Amino acid sequence: ILNVEQSPQSLHVQEGDSTNFTCSFPSSNFYALHWYRWETAKSPEALFVMTLNGDEKKKGRISATLNTKEGYSYLYIKGSQPEDSATYLCASYAGNNRKLIWGLGTSLAVNP
Amino acid sequence: EAQVTQNPRYLITVTGKKLTVTCSQNMNHEYMSWYRQDPGLGLRQIYYSMNVEVTDKGDVPEGYKVSRKEKRNFPLILESPSPNQTSLYFCASSSWTPNEKLFFGSGTQLSVL
Repeated sequence: ILNVEQSPQSLHVQEGDSTNFTCSFPSSNFYALHWYRWETAKSPEALFVMTLNGDEKKKGRISATLNTKEGYSYLYIKGSQPEDSATYLCASYAGNNRKLIWGLGTSLAVNP
Repeated sequence: EAQVTQNPRYLITVTGKKLTVTCSQNMNHEYMSWYRQDPGLGLRQIYYSMNVEVTDKGDVPEGYKVSRKEKRNFPLILESPSPNQTSLYFCASSSWTPNEKLFFGSGTQLSVL
């Protein structure tokens, strides 16, 4: 994988549902994997930065895991709420030039 | 409050009229970057700077200039804007390590007529 790929592109769930999405990234020369939440009319805000294989991070109902050997990360949202509606972006750092490679995001809509 | 201040939020201009979008951060960050966001294309890096007087091209630098004369400021300059530069622009900053999160400005929606 040369680029960062996110799936699905969009997702509609009902309030209370748990959901997850995937970020695939180049596993060679890996440094860090970033997750951001981007709400409409606002700017992206960092959720997690993960560096170690097997890392798991949690922030309230949102958690993320990291597998650097196979090049993927999962973001989980437990008991989705309407305020979770946003685009979730992941980005991977690779190499020495401080270059973040961004995925296109997963757009989540949570229906009340 | 730690923040990245980006101005203006909205800008409508005409082709060829030079403009500057300002970006300032108060966190003493070494690293600053400009992105543009277009539908279906994700965030694309325009220019970045790893410290004062050090700037490098990103993925889409054509038609843009930047400067980093002071650590806190990283303005984006469009010398002769064209309609294909109509986009949503974000400035971001962070400390000089890959495991430090980026702080984003509030964005500038630019329309070039």
